[in-house]
Amino acid sequence: GDSVTQTEGPVTLSEGTSLTVNCSYETKQYPTLFWYVQYPGEGPQLLFKVPKANEKGSSRGFEATYNKEATSFHLQKASVQESDSAVYYCALPTSSGQKLVFGQGTILKVYL
Amino acid sequence: DPKIIQKPKYLVAVTGSEKILICEQYLGHNAMYWYRQSAKKPLEFMFSYSYQKLMDNQTASSRFQPQSSKKNHLDLQITALKPDDSATYFCASSQVGNQDTQYFGPGTRLLVL
Repeated sequence: GDSVTQTEGPVTLSEGTSLTVNCSYETKQYPTLFWYVQYPGEGPQLLFKVPKANEKGSSRGFEATYNKEATSFHLQKASVQESDSAVYYCALPTSSGQKLVFGQGTILKVYL
Repeated sequence: DPKIIQKPKYLVAVTGSEKILICEQYLGHNAMYWYRQSAKKPLEFMFSYSYQKLMDNQTASSRFQPQSSKKNHLDLQITALKPDDSATYFCASSQVGNQDTQYFGPGTRLLVL
């Protein structure tokens, strides 16, 4: 079945350093891929999505490239800020489109 | 203004009781969902509804029953509560035809004692 595996967290970084959160997926289709971000006490918010293989998505300085060959969708940011501290989820829809399958989430903690 | 409202934000219940979690969305969407997030598992799909009809159910237990009284409402009734039901329950919605792009509410955090 469909599955998503992410970098184990927590990831702790000082402000201004670069971030990579790995996301690998398994699916028999070529779905849209998603990154969601969840702040404490809130629901997941869509960060961005990429509908097509070999394309890049970005938002708020975060970016990820849909790599069909490697079945990866790694999240990157060149310079993190304290306000980026949150949980990041990689996700994909199942073939019915009714259901999103999420990775286990990666906790990011950024300190000054 | 919040586009997806979930009530209550926090809920404490005793084992064996019944509770209803409320969800209303004001995004004009016609597909709604329930997900669960517990300490032990990542975000886990429970149900999907489209035009107030059940489309998918990944919850093994019949103790969980969605209820859609209006097209922008999808409540979740949980009966015979167990401590293992303790989790945060998220409602989400999307447009039919663009169902993979789902928007989530703030969640209801349920603690069963």
